[in-house]
Amino acid sequence: AQTVTQSQPEMSVQEAETVTLSCTYDTSESDYYLFWYKQPPSRQMILVIRQEAYKQQNATENRFSVNFQKAAKSFSLKISDSQLGDAAMYFCAYQDDKIIFGKGTRLHILP
Amino acid sequence: SQTIHQWPATLVQPVGSPLSLECTVEGTSNPNLYWYRQAAGRGLQLLFYSVGIGQISSEVPQNLSASRPQDRQFILSSKKLLLSDSGFYLCAWSRQGLQPQHFGDGTRLSIL
Repeated sequence: AQTVTQSQPEMSVQEAETVTLSCTYDTSESDYYLFWYKQPPSRQMILVIRQEAYKQQNATENRFSVNFQKAAKSFSLKISDSQLGDAAMYFCAYQDDKIIFGKGTRLHILP
Repeated sequence: SQTIHQWPATLVQPVGSPLSLECTVEGTSNPNLYWYRQAAGRGLQLLFYSVGIGQISSEVPQNLSASRPQDRQFILSSKKLLLSDSGFYLCAWSRQGLQPQHFGDGTRLSIL
């Protein structure tokens, strides 16, 4: 069965600095999607970035980028120039015919 | 553009009472629909998903049920709520195939 592991329950980063959130997954499939979702205190789930497994190029969305290592089954999220509004729970998710979420990493931004 | 509406935002119910949470999607047709529960400080647990009208798949045995009476309407129900049903419930939709899910604003359910 597919699993998603986020090994960092909480992280902190100084405002304007860069932080990387880790995610590993396990699957025997070759075609799948990976996502990072953000859940701020309002508890909305917001899609941050997605990566198709067949694409070697790492996805980028403004200050958010991923390091996708398919062979290692690793999918980390890098947030550059951290802002106070980035404070949230971040969930890594894997999807083939179903979507599976990790348990989340709570990110604190220190002013 | 597509939007998803979920209500109510907050609900306080006594143990043993019935439940009905509603979710509707606008701006798309034949979406996949999902119900999740998120316990405090925890990740998301998929409860039900639906790929079409009247088609419901249950992921976790429990006293909750789901129905899809119309293409863009997804309802989460219970005949008798338990204390353990407390939590934050999220509805989501996606297009068919490998597509990202888009979430509603959630319902905070407290059982007294």
